[in-house]
Amino acid sequence: QQPVQSPQAVILREGEDAVINCSSSKALYSVHWYRQKHGEAPVFLMILLKGGEQKGHEKISASFNEKKQQSSLYLTASQLSYSGTYFCGTGPGGSEKLVFGKGTKLTVNP
Amino acid sequence: DAGVIQSPRHEVTEMGQEVTLRCKPISGHNSLFWYRQTMMRGLELLIYFNNNVPIDDSGMPEDRFSAKMPNASFSTLKIQPSEPRDSAVYFCASSPTGRIVSPLHFGNGTRLTVT
Repeated sequence: QQPVQSPQAVILREGEDAVINCSSSKALYSVHWYRQKHGEAPVFLMILLKGGEQKGHEKISASFNEKKQQSSLYLTASQLSYSGTYFCGTGPGGSEKLVFGKGTKLTVNP
Repeated sequence: DAGVIQSPRHEVTEMGQEVTLRCKPISGHNSLFWYRQTMMRGLELLIYFNNNVPIDDSGMPEDRFSAKMPNASFSTLKIQPSEPRDSAVYFCASSPTGRIVSPLHFGNGTRLTVT
């Protein structure tokens, strides 16, 4: 079951904040976040695990609400380099499959 | 660390032809994934391997698609015969373990165009 991301797109000015949401209809064990720039491969940002452990990026934070089966990615004081499409990938417990949402396109303007 | 290496970067072929995409995972990684990316469907998982063994191929669209991993350093995704609707970017990714607690490392992808 593909997770649902919102919003589909967001436009910011440099220095502004953004929140990207990811929700699933299935119980989750982990949530991954990746960023993809145009014409490039997705690049790993962060993993959030059931139980609260977080592995990943130094300047971007995220939360994982196991009860609501949701995760949110927080980008604060955005930089031009943050532009790209952000994907969440969800993995239900007991499975090795990582299923991605359709992405959120973030544009940061000067 | 050279990262995940895919070849070719671009492939243009005519409908009905056989297409073979190649992937070399990061040395020491135990899991390998093939994804397909289109505007309409996003990133779709086609198949994944753990220790060279196919674990789940439920995402493979139809029998025209097949994937192999003959050893720990090489995998292929074959489409025979190819159709225009197969046009997409195909990504290979590898992971240190077979568990979803490890990040995926993606290759640069193969952009396939079937005319």
